Amino acid sequence: DTAVSQTPKYLVTQMGNDKSIKCEQNLGHDTMYWYKQDSKKFLKIMFSYNNKELIINETVPNRFSPKSPDKAHLNLHINSLELGDSAVYFCASSQDPQGGANVLTFGAGSRLTVL
Amino acid sequence: GQNIDQPTEMTATEGAIVQINCTYQTSGFNGLFWYQQHAGEAPTFLSYNVLDGLEEKGRFSSFLSRSKGYSYLLLKELQMKDSASYLCAAMDSNYQLIWGAGTKLIIKP
Repeated sequence: DTAVSQTPKYLVTQMGNDKSIKCEQNLGHDTMYWYKQDSKKFLKIMFSYNNKELIINETVPNRFSPKSPDKAHLNLHINSLELGDSAVYFCASSQDPQGGANVLTFGAGSRLTVL
Repeated sequence: GQNIDQPTEMTATEGAIVQINCTYQTSGFNGLFWYQQHAGEAPTFLSYNVLDGLEEKGRFSSFLSRSKGYSYLLLKELQMKDSASYLCAAMDSNYQLIWGAGTKLIIKP
């Protein structure tokens, strides 16, 4: 049983298209995240939800919109894709956003390539 | 500003010991994490330190000095499968994680 699963694993699309990445966790965690990892391998937080409520919203273009229908799911929709959006997007979850309980369990990643 | 520094790349020999250093500057501090990331895979949790000192977990140990803003990850009896990137992340006063760019560790036979 995969703890944090995200789909699709690979996504190749043209500039200007709209795409979604889905994420589900079966760990019973309250908090879920979207991270972007660029070619230089920096992990950058994009969004964080705690019990379906947005708690972190870093400076990302508003073309990126997260949606959390319930605390086990956090999807990411991207409008009008640009070349610079090419990266690996990781979904993650944690039991508690504070302190040592904030051990993140990551999904396998979704590699987005914009042509 | 908030910042994490760690070496970009290190090389070590199978069976040896390697120490990966990390220095951090954060607004407040609520602990330091180490994650391992194999190429093309997700990061996985290795250790968490919030108090000064050394925490040992099998072949891997992690050290923290809060006064120096410094941590290291010590890997003993290196195996080929330890070839990976090692990510250091510090948690600030708002419980936000500040990530380093990772240290790519290459193990040679």
